[in-house]
Amino acid sequence: EPEVTQTPSHQVTQMGQEVILRCVPISNHLYFYWYRQILGQKVEFLVSFYNNEISEKSEIFDDQFSVERPDGSNFTLKIRSTKLEDSAMYFCASRRSGTGGYGYTFGSGTRLTVV
Amino acid sequence: AQSVTQLDSHVSVSEGTPVLLRCNYSSSYSPSLFWYVQHPNKGLQLLLKYTSAATLVKGINGFEAEFKKSETSFHLTKPSAHMSDAAEYFCVVIRNQAGTALIFGKGTTLSVSS
Repeated sequence: EPEVTQTPSHQVTQMGQEVILRCVPISNHLYFYWYRQILGQKVEFLVSFYNNEISEKSEIFDDQFSVERPDGSNFTLKIRSTKLEDSAMYFCASRRSGTGGYGYTFGSGTRLTVV
Repeated sequence: AQSVTQLDSHVSVSEGTPVLLRCNYSSSYSPSLFWYVQHPNKGLQLLLKYTSAATLVKGINGFEAEFKKSETSFHLTKPSAHMSDAAEYFCVVIRNQAGTALIFGKGTTLSVSS
């Protein structure tokens, strides 16, 4: 069964450093997403991406975040200057098409620890 | 605004006994609701979805959920728990009618003992 692959599984970074989280969505999917889960809290929507642009974003997704699909297979989340409160599990997801919330495939997540 | 509330952070059952994971929702329109499961070190997997067709929804691995508008509930049940059901379960609603983003509940950890 096709999978969404996220790398690395765990990343530790110093406060103030830039990090890039990488995701390889399912190859024929068209919609891409990032979610995060701070330890002990809810999974939160960050951003959705379709047709090479952001289609929806949450209040969390401020100027320190950016997303990119640099080469047609990878989907990345960049955090420009990390803060302690960015420590969380980050999930990438992709969907083939359509509206509604089904058809998502989630990756296993990248645990980001900011020290 | 759309929201879901999972009423139990942790549920413990014995193998072979019924499972009930409770979820209440708040929505200004007829919602689309989902249950997702996350096993350790795995991605989030869709268990079942409600999209205004039948109110009793059957999902994978013997799980089902009933949409009750009068009670604004969407509880997840299974008649007989298996050890492999031990996982984190999330009740989810679509963020808004125009989009596809999801809003998650805080999750319920299901423990199954032998």
